[in-house]
Amino acid sequence: KQEVTQIPAALSVPEGENLVLNCSFTDSAIYNLQWFRQDPGKGLTSLLLIQSSQREQTSGRLNASLDKSSGRSTLYIAASQPGDSATYLCAVKSGSARQLTFGSGTQLTVLP
Amino acid sequence: EAGVAQSPRYKIIEKRQSVAFWCNPISGHATLYWYQQILGQGPKLLIQFQNNGVVDDSQLPKDRFSAERLKGVDSTLKIQPAKLEDSAVYLCASSFPRGGFEQYFGPGTRLTVT
Repeated sequence: KQEVTQIPAALSVPEGENLVLNCSFTDSAIYNLQWFRQDPGKGLTSLLLIQSSQREQTSGRLNASLDKSSGRSTLYIAASQPGDSATYLCAVKSGSARQLTFGSGTQLTVLP
Repeated sequence: EAGVAQSPRYKIIEKRQSVAFWCNPISGHATLYWYQQILGQGPKLLIQFQNNGVVDDSQLPKDRFSAERLKGVDSTLKIQPAKLEDSAVYLCASSFPRGGFEQYFGPGTRLTVT
């Protein structure tokens, strides 16, 4: 059974700092890995999707890497802004039914 | 392009009552998912539909939860009777049918069972 772990559970940084969020998964036989953002009371917004054959994806100030063999992914946020404050969720797609398994998220607060 | 629509956005019921949630996926998305997200946790898949057929419902508590997707478009998720531990946000998502495509999520329905 796939299990996804995110560390840290919460993170508070001053504005302008670069930061890294971590995600690990137990079964390396994945189809893809997705990073989501969730604002309070809102649904999930997809940030980046990395296919199993890829090593990284970039979108603006966000860069996600994938090391399938070690079961790890990182989300790098450059020059953080208060508007980046949200919960960031990592999810991997695996299994015969290709279902998404989510981590518990990292709650990020960027202080002005 | 319209996103995934869900209603209602909020619902408060007493335990042992029944409740139903509705989801309309993005047009053309054959795959539809229902997730349960308990406060402080990541979403957990309850059921996955491919058109109007069930692909995976292994984590759906079938003694009280049911879901249907008539005509392969809209879907409803029902809880009967509700328990206190069912308090959560219920998220609907949709995607194209193939494995590599990303899922798009609706805003969710926040259920409180008192």
